[in-house]
Amino acid sequence: GQNIDQPTEMTATEGAIVQINCTYQTSGFNGLFWYQQHAGEAPTFLSYNVLDGLEEKGRFSSFLSRSKGYSYLLLKELQMKDSASYLCFVSSNTGKLIFGQGTTLQVKP
Amino acid sequence: DTGVSQNPRHKITKRGQNVTFRCDPISEHNRLYWYRQTLGQGPEFLTYFQNEAQLEKSRLLSDRFSAERPKGSFSTLEIQRTEQGDSAMYLCASSTTRVGNNYGYTFGSGTRLTVV
Repeated sequence: GQNIDQPTEMTATEGAIVQINCTYQTSGFNGLFWYQQHAGEAPTFLSYNVLDGLEEKGRFSSFLSRSKGYSYLLLKELQMKDSASYLCFVSSNTGKLIFGQGTTLQVKP
Repeated sequence: DTGVSQNPRHKITKRGQNVTFRCDPISEHNRLYWYRQTLGQGPEFLTYFQNEAQLEKSRLLSDRFSAERPKGSFSTLEIQRTEQGDSAMYLCASSTTRVGNNYGYTFGSGTRLTVV
């Protein structure tokens, strides 16, 4: 079957670092995406990994290990506005997107 | 191009009524996706199109749900005989498979359906 797992909820403190993990089992792999979604809004692009390793973009970094079926999103210098849901999903070989349940991150002062 | 546009933003309907939602993708995107999202959950796949061809659909679309993309541009999603369990956010996304473009997906803001 196809499955993506990520924690349902996380809490962190403003200014801290938080890591959101995502594990996947899919039939085919054409890249893994992280998107941010604020309540009632459209998901917006954060990162894309198709090769193993770390992709860094400002305060956000994403890591991928294809052999382990594992990715994480690292958020540094947390700000209150980072409170949102973080969606991990895989693009399969057929083009279908397979989502995890999303991680709701709450940043506290 | 202002991104992916979905209409209406909100829809309240009585149980048993039919509803239709529209999605206008980014004009140069050839792929269009429909997903359903309930509170606190990740998006659930409904169907997707490449141009006007419907490439894959979930079992949900074999019953009361149907989707079309007649000219390979905008798409409509219809739900017949709505049930309270259909209450959710319906998300549309588009992307391109054309060489030279990034592989990002652009999502619309969704249509929130409430069935009363």
